[in-house]
Amino acid sequence: AQSVTQLGSHVSVSEGALVLLRCNYSSSVPPYLFWYVQYPNQGLQLLLKYTTGATLVKGINGFEAEFKKSETSFHLTKPSAHMSDAAEYFCAVSDRSNYGGSQGNLIFGKGTKLSVKP
Amino acid sequence: NAGVTQTPKFRILKIGQSMTLQCTQDMNHNYMYWYRQDPGMGLKLIYYSVGAGITDKGEVPNGYNVSRSTTEDFPLRLELAAPSQTSVYFCASNGGGPDNEQFFGPGTRLTVL
Repeated sequence: AQSVTQLGSHVSVSEGALVLLRCNYSSSVPPYLFWYVQYPNQGLQLLLKYTTGATLVKGINGFEAEFKKSETSFHLTKPSAHMSDAAEYFCAVSDRSNYGGSQGNLIFGKGTKLSVKP
Repeated sequence: NAGVTQTPKFRILKIGQSMTLQCTQDMNHNYMYWYRQDPGMGLKLIYYSVGAGITDKGEVPNGYNVSRSTTEDFPLRLELAAPSQTSVYFCASNGGGPDNEQFFGPGTRLTVL
């Protein structure tokens, strides 16, 4: 079965510093990969996704992620953190081989809370 | 275009009571989902639907039921509420295909005492 591991339940950075949130998946067939962000007391919204093609994916708010098949990873980065980036970030995968059954079902990691210090 | 809406926003139930969480989307999406979110555990899929009249169990379906009589609505029913069902519930929809974005509602925070 698919699984997603996010290293670090809580990450704290200073404003202006690099943000790096880690995500690894377990699957013999590379899945579709997503990063979602959740601001306090809100639903989740899509930051970026990888489906096919270029392995470096750019998303909203200056975030990007790189799909590395050899490392089964999809780490999220942002060169310079802003106070408004404080939120919880979820990595998720869906099975690209399962078109007939559970279409679009996402498996989520446990989330990483990002704090940004002034 | 309101996207995905959920009602109520908050609810407190007593053990053994029942309730229905409402979810509506106006994007004409076929695929809809119910998740629960517990602190430090991410989101777990409760039930999903690939179209009106078709529903299936997710990872944690026990204690819940769903129906899908229209494309727009996907209510989640809790029968005989238990403290273990204290959680935040999210509804989501998807235009089709596992490579598509899921759109999430704002959530319902449920406490069972």
